[in-house]
Amino acid sequence: DQQVKQNSPSLSVQEGRISILNCDYTNSMFDYFLWYKKYPAEGPTFLISISSIKDKNEDGRFTVFLNKSAKHLSLHIVPSQPGDSAVYFCAARGGVNKFYFGSGTKLNVKP
Amino acid sequence: DTAVSQTPKYLVTQMGNDKSIKCEQNLGHDTMYWYKQDSKKFLKIMFSYNNKELIINETVPNRFSPKSPDKAHLNLHINSLELGDSAVYFCASSPRRGNTEAFFGQGTRLTVV
Repeated sequence: DQQVKQNSPSLSVQEGRISILNCDYTNSMFDYFLWYKKYPAEGPTFLISISSIKDKNEDGRFTVFLNKSAKHLSLHIVPSQPGDSAVYFCAARGGVNKFYFGSGTKLNVKP
Repeated sequence: DTAVSQTPKYLVTQMGNDKSIKCEQNLGHDTMYWYKQDSKKFLKIMFSYNNKELIINETVPNRFSPKSPDKAHLNLHINSLELGDSAVYFCASSPRRGNTEAFFGQGTRLTVV
């Protein structure tokens, strides 16, 4: 029933290395994908997005890759910093104003 | 100067009670949402309003009723609370209908005992 899945509940990475967070989806009609970052006791905050007509979008240390044939997207953080430690949610737009979220991946960046 | 604020942050109540969660945004956005984060951590959309008009109403029990007195406010009223309603509820807003990026409140943790 869940159309957006993040199969890794947690990820631990050393500071300075690359963090790769993955997300899979089932609905080929999704036209926009987003990543949100969430700290404890706060709401999610928007990080980066990508349209379905692109396969890559970069913003500073953050890059999102989209593989439509595999229905897979990933978020790369290079280099990872301790302040990046948070829960990352993947989301997909399936209609005007209708967004589907994954269950999140908790990233821990070790100093 | 919080952009999207929800009150209360925590709410503990007994089964059968009626409770409300308030949400206000000072961003001048047209669109507001309510999401529920369930025990499996998925964020699921419940309602979306655009300029006080309901545009998304997911399969949510009719014990849940959103109310938008103006486009800066979207409150969530829940009647006859059940144990399964325990969750974190997030309010969010976006500049206009169809816009992709949403701004979230800090969440309201509802516990029904």
